[in-house]
Amino acid sequence: NAGVTQTPKFQVLKTGQSMTLQCAQDMNHEYMSWYRQDPGMGLRLIHYSVGAGITDQGEVPNGYNVSRSTTEDFPLRLLSAAPSQTSVYFCASSLRASSYNEQFFGPGTRLTVL
Amino acid sequence: KQEVTQIPAALSVPEGENLVLNCSFTDSAIYNLQWFRQDPGKGLTSLLLIQSSQREQTSGRLNASLDKSSGRSTLYIAASQPGDSATYLCAVATGNTGKLIFGQGTTLQVKP
Repeated sequence: NAGVTQTPKFQVLKTGQSMTLQCAQDMNHEYMSWYRQDPGMGLRLIHYSVGAGITDQGEVPNGYNVSRSTTEDFPLRLLSAAPSQTSVYFCASSLRASSYNEQFFGPGTRLTVL
Repeated sequence: KQEVTQIPAALSVPEGENLVLNCSFTDSAIYNLQWFRQDPGKGLTSLLLIQSSQREQTSGRLNASLDKSSGRSTLYIAASQPGDSATYLCAVATGNTGKLIFGQGTTLQVKP
């Protein structure tokens, strides 16, 4: 198993540009989520999905869209990038959104918005 | 609002020492607590998951304990090695949405 994979590893955008961060898992996990990690703020939940076709907002959803058309993929879209979205983005997955399930994280995408 | 705190923010020890990393949380109504390791520029690697009904979990040289009533967890690392150098994060799950609340982490350096 490749686990949780993310592409790209690094990205530089200009303010106002849009892009999609890709996340995929091959463990047949129902639950997937996106976090951003910022110095002094720790990791914060952006969006999550408990299964294909179901998504919900986390703590900091503004400026981001998600969709979940398949179990394997959970892309994160930046609609109009802003410097405040400069961060490291992590995708995570677990078997289900339950207290019994360990969460697994991808390697991250480091995004810089100029 | 649940808050997770890890103290100290940084720790430097000589190789071979046994050490304890601390994690505290403000709301004892947690579903589970998970310890992660993060190497510089890398993702998070899950180390141990403790369910709310458990008191401790062990994996190799690592032992994590949970005391919900006092809002504390500790990660014990036995016989530390330079390869243990990393940032250690704890996170609590406060509901069945899967949402994790993270601490800021403890950056550990083990010197040869």
